[in-house]
Amino acid sequence: GAVVSQHPSWVICKSGTSVKIECRSLDFQATTMFWYRQFPKQSLMLMATSNEGSKATYEQGVEKDKFLINHASLTLSTLTVTSAHPEDSSFYICSASSGGLGELFFGEGSRLTVL
Amino acid sequence: SQQGEEDPQALSIQEGENATMNCSYKTSINNLQWYRQNSGRGLVHLILIRSNEREKHSGRLRVTLDTSKKSSSLLITASRAADTASYFCATETTDSWGKLQFGAGTQVVVTP
Repeated sequence: GAVVSQHPSWVICKSGTSVKIECRSLDFQATTMFWYRQFPKQSLMLMATSNEGSKATYEQGVEKDKFLINHASLTLSTLTVTSAHPEDSSFYICSASSGGLGELFFGEGSRLTVL
Repeated sequence: SQQGEEDPQALSIQEGENATMNCSYKTSINNLQWYRQNSGRGLVHLILIRSNEREKHSGRLRVTLDTSKKSSSLLITASRAADTASYFCATETTDSWGKLQFGAGTQVVVTP
């Protein structure tokens, strides 16, 4: 099956720094990618929809200036957590699709810990 | 907002037993999907059932969908220790393709 890779798989940073997480589709072109956040022992919450070549669409309550999403190519979307704080510590997961009614594929997730 | 609610929240069984978990949702859906997540890992897609389907099988998995009750169930037969994981249902509505609304999940522990 198709593979979606996330990098880094885990990152620890100091409060106030910015962290970039990459989501790559390795063997297909992903016109649309989705970013989710998962707090410990909780479910996944959709943060935003990332469309190649256009601005991301954010879910209600998600700060677009805090979570910058860039989908500059058909195989890469990045999520940048700006000025990270301890409350941003979470597991961030992306999913990707080739579009239309294509199947969704999830990355392995990136665990962010902000000290 | 979360679309799906799942029960039970946690389930502990022994190898060989069956595990059943349920999911309820609130709005009309295009399809409902079940995923497995091992601790600290990404999601593994298990099965997708469309709104016009009532039952689907995949190996030891059996999924049912009752759109009149807005509910679904996942049955894992002859469970194995390797089935230990969290299981999530996720719904996709007709007007938001690809945007999944996840349930709270059921944590399943299978002891040898």
